[in-house]
Amino acid sequence: DGGITQSPKYLFRKEGQNVTLSCEQNLNHDAMYWYRQDPGQGLRLIYYSQIVNDFQKGDIAEGYSVSREKKESFPLTVTSAQKNPTAFYLCASSWPGQGNTEAFFGQGTRLTVV
Amino acid sequence: AQSVSQHNHHVILSEAASLELGCNYSYGGTVNLFWYVQYPGQHLQLLLKYFSGDPLVKGIKGFEAEFIKSKFSFNLRKPSVQWSDTAEYFCAVNLNRDDKIIFGKGTRLHILP
Repeated sequence: DGGITQSPKYLFRKEGQNVTLSCEQNLNHDAMYWYRQDPGQGLRLIYYSQIVNDFQKGDIAEGYSVSREKKESFPLTVTSAQKNPTAFYLCASSWPGQGNTEAFFGQGTRLTVV
Repeated sequence: AQSVSQHNHHVILSEAASLELGCNYSYGGTVNLFWYVQYPGQHLQLLLKYFSGDPLVKGIKGFEAEFIKSKFSFNLRKPSVQWSDTAEYFCAVNLNRDDKIIFGKGTRLHILP
């Protein structure tokens, strides 16, 4: 089945540690996205990538980093510089091209930093 | 900066009531518009989308939305809601120039049986 896989579903880390969230897609989509979902805040864009080896900052990129070395993969690293990292993180992918395509979402990773 | 505003954060309705959820966006260029739904414990799913053509679009489960360009709005409607429509609903805008997708803060809909 085609889809987007985020792993793990739940992740716990100690404060001050970097942590990497995985996102893999087999939909052959060029564009991939990372969002953070907090209660009452909706989905806020962290980073997005339209093509391999290229990515752009979203609205809340501070404290996060990404890479896009392969079309299928778009890992997100939550660094120790992120002041409030505990959140639900969603990865998405789509076909780029003048925006006339919807995004498909993974199941999400809930990160808790203690 | 571009933004998406959803007017209602929490809506409570009885079954069979009519629903309208407001969505406005701020961006002067060409956009594509979406409504997504997140049922409890499930991932985000596309409800409907507008790219071009007829501004009244129909989606799954009896939902529809109307794009009014002059008002920068894309309100979601359903004539008669069901208990199973209990979920969180998100309006989203894709800025054509760079494929950036921006979401509103969501509306939590609770349907009383």
